[in-house]
Amino acid sequence: GAGVSQSPSNKVTEKGKDVELRCDPISGHTALYWYRQSLGQGLEFLIYFQGNSAPDKSGLPSDRFSAERTGGSVSTLTIQRTQQEDSAVYLCASSLAGTTYNEQFFGPGTRLTVL
Amino acid sequence: GENVEQHPSTLSVQEGDSAVIKCTYSDSASNYFPWYKQELGKRPQLIIDIRSNVGEKKDQRIAVTLNKTAKHFSLHITETQPEDSAVYFCAASIEGGSEKLVFGKGTKLTVNP
Repeated sequence: GAGVSQSPSNKVTEKGKDVELRCDPISGHTALYWYRQSLGQGLEFLIYFQGNSAPDKSGLPSDRFSAERTGGSVSTLTIQRTQQEDSAVYLCASSLAGTTYNEQFFGPGTRLTVL
Repeated sequence: GENVEQHPSTLSVQEGDSAVIKCTYSDSASNYFPWYKQELGKRPQLIIDIRSNVGEKKDQRIAVTLNKTAKHFSLHITETQPEDSAVYFCAASIEGGSEKLVFGKGTKLTVNP
């Protein structure tokens, strides 16, 4: 079946512009996560959705970052007034939450470059 | 909050040798410990995981051990092959909590033919 998909795969933007990153989770997965991976670093948790609600937003680095999820499916991560330090690969993952087996399946990521 | 430390950051072995990667965690409530493999330019993929009610788990050439008292867990790869070359990430989470994964910074493993 189809895995997690993300778009765009690459995004180059100018400092100060807003960007939207999209994630399509695996069908039927109720849990969705956003992570950020900077060059040579591990994956940094940003936000977790269960259905359409976000019980854990603790990883969002500033109020310039926001995310929403509609219909319990697609999620959008928005970064306003982008800064150069926002450059990273943004990874989305989904899992079949509510079971005892919570493997998170990752998407291919969106590589964001802020000039 | 949870903090995961991973060592070494780079590891180079000869084909056929074993490789060991170690992680420590800080939150004693963590009870789920997955390992992900990320090949260059690709997405992370789960290779093995362990829950806190077991001390060891094996899957062919890979194994993971967990010491809850010391709060550390390790990945062991035996009979390494060039295709094992990748970045490996350990992680910890609290199953039944937010289930977010807290990752280590990764280990770049190179298997030399």
